[in-house]
Amino acid sequence: GESVGLHLPTLSVQEGDNSIINCAYSNSASDYFIWYKQESGKGPQFIIDIRSNMDKRQGQRVTVLLNKTVKHLSLQIAATQPGDSAVYFCAENRLLGQNFVFGPGTRLSVLP
Amino acid sequence: NAGVTQTPKFRVLKTGQSMTLLCAQDMNHEYMYWYRQDPGMGLRLIHYSVGEGTTAKGEVPDGYNVSRLKKQNFLLGLESAAPSQTSVYFCASSTLGTANSPLHFGNGTRLTVT
Repeated sequence: GESVGLHLPTLSVQEGDNSIINCAYSNSASDYFIWYKQESGKGPQFIIDIRSNMDKRQGQRVTVLLNKTVKHLSLQIAATQPGDSAVYFCAENRLLGQNFVFGPGTRLSVLP
Repeated sequence: NAGVTQTPKFRVLKTGQSMTLLCAQDMNHEYMYWYRQDPGMGLRLIHYSVGEGTTAKGEVPDGYNVSRLKKQNFLLGLESAAPSQTSVYFCASSTLGTANSPLHFGNGTRLTVT
């Protein structure tokens, strides 16, 4: 299960394996979702986005799945590499005002 | 193409001092944002701007002011710094707003208020 407070959930995977990072979102009316990657000391970097009229979208080595029924988003990374080690978090757009709701993130650790 | 550039990268202030954080983007984006990131809390929106000369409050605007005098620049001011404002501050920009386009972030300013 997920930890709370200051401790981010951590996912450890072997190099070359596939990674799946999960995110629960809060608003069933949200219609635009983004996954970000944040490396230590850097700003969040856009990975992939998806709209609510889709349930899957693929990029280079990454796939985002959206399950609107249970308000769940996942990010799949194929053939995980050491450079994938970072904190990953999802964002859903707020329908009022210019804002996203950001999740607290999951730390991905790639083991050699 | 530098994207979003923030200055300074680090700053230490004493309680009650003031400072301005600078953000510049070279992507001709209309929308600009200031977020703060605290451990375990995710990014929270302070203020944003939908165009030159306009600003609006976000989730946590108290103690901060902003200005967008030029399209490419968005300034965040702290008039009287408090220890609760110790955080990492990120500036971001986007083309079409949060309903339609992702945010592009700078690399942050780490601010410590003692």
